[in-house]
Amino acid sequence: QQKVQQSPESLTVSEGAMASLNCTFSDGTSDNFRWYRQHSGKGLEVLVSIFSDGEKEEGRFTAHLNRASLHVSLHIREPQPSDSAVYLCAMSVSSNTDKVVFGTGTRLQVSP
Amino acid sequence: EAAVTQSPRNKVAVTGGKVTLSCNQTNNHNNMYWYRQDTGHGLRLIHYSYGAGSTEKGDIPDGYKASRPSQENFSLILELATPSQTSVYFCASGAQLGGLTGQLYFGEGSKLTVL
Repeated sequence: QQKVQQSPESLTVSEGAMASLNCTFSDGTSDNFRWYRQHSGKGLEVLVSIFSDGEKEEGRFTAHLNRASLHVSLHIREPQPSDSAVYLCAMSVSSNTDKVVFGTGTRLQVSP
Repeated sequence: EAAVTQSPRNKVAVTGGKVTLSCNQTNNHNNMYWYRQDTGHGLRLIHYSYGAGSTEKGDIPDGYKASRPSQENFSLILELATPSQTSVYFCASGAQLGGLTGQLYFGEGSKLTVL
């Protein structure tokens, strides 16, 4: 069963500083990865999708994937207080199934 | 306009009672999913579906049934609710794109309390 670990559990950054979140997975069978954001009491919204090793940028959000090290990260440039939320990484288990598993989440607080 | 709608948004049930959580999507996606979200566990997959008539077990299916009577609707059924099933439940829909699993579109969640 694919396992996904996120770190840190919580993170506080100042407005305008870079925020970095990490996700490690248990094996290399996944073929696509996404980062989602969840504001308090709301559903999840996708931020960035990445399918191959390297970097993918969507506005202020950049994902880095390194399958060899079983690691995907999210960097938020110039975070704003409105970015305060829980961030979850997600991956499909393998190309043979549409099963999607999520990490445990990182709670980000951006202070003015 | 919300494309994934869950009902009810809040539900209080008694132990041993039957609970049905409903989900409707207007995205015309083949895939639909039910997750529960608990502190310390993140989102855990209960059941999912590839289309009308199909249901698949996720990672934590025990105590839950699912039903997909149509492309648009996917229900999660707790035949005998227990307090351990108190949680926030999320429904999502997603497409299959050229062999890759597409992004998921989530509803706003259903908060279930089992007393």
